[in-house]
Amino acid sequence: QQQVKQSPQSLIVQKGGIPIINCAYENTAFDYFPWYQQFPGKGPALLIAIRPDVSEKKEGRFTISFNKSAKQFSLHIMDSQPGDSATYFCAASMRGANNLFFGTGTRLTVIP
Amino acid sequence: SAVISQKPSRDICQRGTSLTIQCQVDSQVTMMFWYRQQPGQSLTLIATANQGSEATYESGFVIDKFPISRPNLTFSTLTVSNMSPEDSSIYLCSVAAQSRSYGYTFGSGTRLTVV
Repeated sequence: QQQVKQSPQSLIVQKGGIPIINCAYENTAFDYFPWYQQFPGKGPALLIAIRPDVSEKKEGRFTISFNKSAKQFSLHIMDSQPGDSATYFCAASMRGANNLFFGTGTRLTVIP
Repeated sequence: SAVISQKPSRDICQRGTSLTIQCQVDSQVTMMFWYRQQPGQSLTLIATANQGSEATYESGFVIDKFPISRPNLTFSTLTVSNMSPEDSSIYLCSVAAQSRSYGYTFGSGTRLTVV
């Protein structure tokens, strides 16, 4: 059973657009929600993360919005660039657990 | 954050053989993790490796198929044994950050193709 559900599976936007990737979870024990960016042939790299006590976090052009009551969180990429073309994974983790539960990934393509 | 070197970066192996993947970290870490990423799919945790103890395997993964060694705080190996084409995947090692922020760093992965 997929612990973290992610959509869409793929996304194409024009340069300067604002792609939005959505994730949802059921387990209320999750207390840490990171986003990873993965380029072909590379391992995932931590992009930004949020805890459920805040509703939004910004780092540069990347913003996480978090809705605790709906158990949903999303990634927004402002002023997207062709260099942002990659696969993005949301994930979740809980206190006392070792591992991350990953979403299924979103392949983003930013067209120049 | 830690820097992870993973070898080999890719390999093509014959069915029935075994491949050992190495993971070297530039700092001492308590826990190391091994993930599998099947083509176009998400990441699934195989096992957690602590130095000086047996690895802990997730449901669906067994030690006979994926033996893991953790001889010290900077190194681990994962062996994929008696390979079949279904084992064709990217295998990634990962370490957790020192702080409780749960930050995880990943190696570049080993792309394995079994023919």
